[in-house]
Amino acid sequence: KQEVTQIPAALSVPEGENLVLNCSFTDSAIYNLQWFRQDPGKGLTSLLLIQSSQREQTSGRLNASLDKSSGRSTLYIAASQPGDSATYLCAGVTTDSWGKLQFGAGTQVVVTP
Amino acid sequence: EAGVTQSPTHLIKTRGQQATLRCSPISGHTSVYWYQQALGLGLQFLLWYDEGEERNRGNFPPRFSGRQFPNYSSELNVNALELEDSALYLCASSLTGSQSDTQYFGPGTRLTVL
Repeated sequence: KQEVTQIPAALSVPEGENLVLNCSFTDSAIYNLQWFRQDPGKGLTSLLLIQSSQREQTSGRLNASLDKSSGRSTLYIAASQPGDSATYLCAGVTTDSWGKLQFGAGTQVVVTP
Repeated sequence: EAGVTQSPTHLIKTRGQQATLRCSPISGHTSVYWYQQALGLGLQFLLWYDEGEERNRGNFPPRFSGRQFPNYSSELNVNALELEDSALYLCASSLTGSQSDTQYFGPGTRLTVL
């Protein structure tokens, strides 16, 4: 059974610092991994999707890497802004459970002005 | 282009009642997924529908059921509501049933069971 872990659970940084968010998973049969952002009481916004055949994806200030062999994905957010404050979740789909995104508990990020 | 929409935004029910939640996918998307986000339990996968068929189901009792209509919209039904069913229910859609497709989420329905 896939276990997805996100460390740390919470993070506070001053504006302008780079953010590094970690996600680890136990099942190397991961097919793809998505990073999401969730604002309080709201739905999820998809940030990046990395296929198992890829090593990284980039979108603007965001860069996500995927290392299947070590069971890790990292989301980098460059030059953080107060608007980046949110909970960030990673979720993966494994080859034996199609359609089922398995989520980590999330990292709550606060960017202080 | 409109995103995934869900209705109602909030729903208050009492124990033993039935709840019906609705989801409209992004135009052109054929797959719909349902997730439950209960306090302290994180996001849990409920159901996946594609082309009108149930494709996968999470570890939830049979009183959680749903369907997908010919226009690809979907309903989630929860029978015999229990207090622990109180949660944010999120619907997502993807272009096809391919696991290479991104799942896009709606704003959710907040279900409160009293």
